[in-house]
Amino acid sequence: EVQLVESGGALVQPGGSLRLSCIASGFTFSSYEMNWVRQAPGKGLEWVSYIGTSGTPTYYADSVKGRFTISRDNTKNSLFLQMNSLRAEDTAVYYCARGGYCSGGNCRTTVFDYWGQGALVTVSS
Amino acid sequence: DVQMTQSPSSLSASVGDRVTITCRASQYISHYLAWYQQIPGRVPKLLIYDGSTLQSGVPSRFSGSGSGTDFTLTISSLQPEDVATYYCQKCNSAPFTFGPGTKVDIK
Repeated sequence: EVQLVESGGALVQPGGSLRLSCIASGFTFSSYEMNWVRQAPGKGLEWVSYIGTSGTPTYYADSVKGRFTISRDNTKNSLFLQMNSLRAEDTAVYYCARGGYCSGGNCRTTVFDYWGQGALVTVSS
Repeated sequence: DVQMTQSPSSLSASVGDRVTITCRASQYISHYLAWYQQIPGRVPKLLIYDGSTLQSGVPSRFSGSGSGTDFTLTISSLQPEDVATYYCQKCNSAPFTFGPGTKVDIK
């Protein structure tokens, strides 16, 4: 069974930092692109960041570019999101989501077929 | 960047009704469009990808169509368990932008 479990959500002051983790199981983690998606309270879904199977390439939404860093450790089936210079508008539930399957350098369409339960990040003084 | 819009933003329909939601991309995205369902309090769920391919386990009353810039999600016979917000998403390249969502409830 595919499982994605996020951790690291917390209350943090504006300007602070936080690192989210997502532990994957039930599939060959190193063969899948991965993403972070967030949802502010009562709002819609916002794609945040993407990472390729080996750690590159990485892409970011304009709203977090230069402040957030996505990374992964395929030896530990883990995905991370380092969030710096946090702002009130970063308050949201953060989901990790499995992307496309890649084999032999070719990747299937990036659709988010499995999601974690989410980690709540609250930025407030 | 490509912008995604959806219409309507919300709708109310009776059980058994045919429901149609439209998604439009500001630029050509071929067939690279996915639809997600988010039931209140739940995690988003993939319904359809590549514009019209039903994800495994999704009821056949859900269908998708379209390509290029205009796409449609159809629920052929609305059921009470379909009360949710539906999002489209462009999947051809980053940024993988979601539409603003369409909230569906029962009349």
